[in-house]
Amino acid sequence: AQSVSQHNHHVILSEAASLELGCNYSYGGTVNLFWYVQYPGQHLQLLLKYFSGDPLVKGIKGFEAEFIKSKFSFNLRKPSVQWSDTAEYFCAVGPYSGNTPLVFGKGTRLSVIA
Amino acid sequence: GAVVSQHPSRVICKSGTSVKIECRSLDFQATTMFWYRQFPKQSLMLMATSNEGSKATYEQGVEKDKFLINHASLTLSTLTVTSAHPEDSSFYICSATPPGQGDYEQYFGPGTRLTVT
Repeated sequence: AQSVSQHNHHVILSEAASLELGCNYSYGGTVNLFWYVQYPGQHLQLLLKYFSGDPLVKGIKGFEAEFIKSKFSFNLRKPSVQWSDTAEYFCAVGPYSGNTPLVFGKGTRLSVIA
Repeated sequence: GAVVSQHPSRVICKSGTSVKIECRSLDFQATTMFWYRQFPKQSLMLMATSNEGSKATYEQGVEKDKFLINHASLTLSTLTVTSAHPEDSSFYICSATPPGQGDYEQYFGPGTRLTVT
């Protein structure tokens, strides 16, 4: 069965600090990988996704993620966080083919302080 | 991008009553929709896969008689929480993938917060 592991439960950073959130997955086949963000009181929004091709994926709001197949990882990064990045971040995995549900990690809460 | 809506956004009901939550794909047809549940400060857990014109597929541990799913059209799936109890209080989220979307990105509804008193 698929599983997704997010290493950090709660991360607290000062503004302008760099961010890296870890995500590892367990799945035997080829996968699609996603990072979603959930701002307080709002619904899930897609930050970025990896489908195929360049393993370094750029998303919205300055976020990027790198797919490292050998490590089964898809870590999220941002060089300089802002207060407005305070949110819950979820890594998710879906099979490469087929309209099937995503498997989510437990999420990482990011708190950015001034 | 594709839009998925949910109604209502919030609902408060008394214990023992039933509540219906609607999930609509506004600008595409969805033969499959997914229902997730999110407890406070936790991740999304898949409850069931809703299939248009056929029975839903429930995840292990989800009571199909308690969480009734109806996918009557290509743009609407409903989740009815029957005989709700306080432990059913949660955030319910649906999602769908537009047809022909090669990377199978799912679009999520805004969620419905259910509070059972």
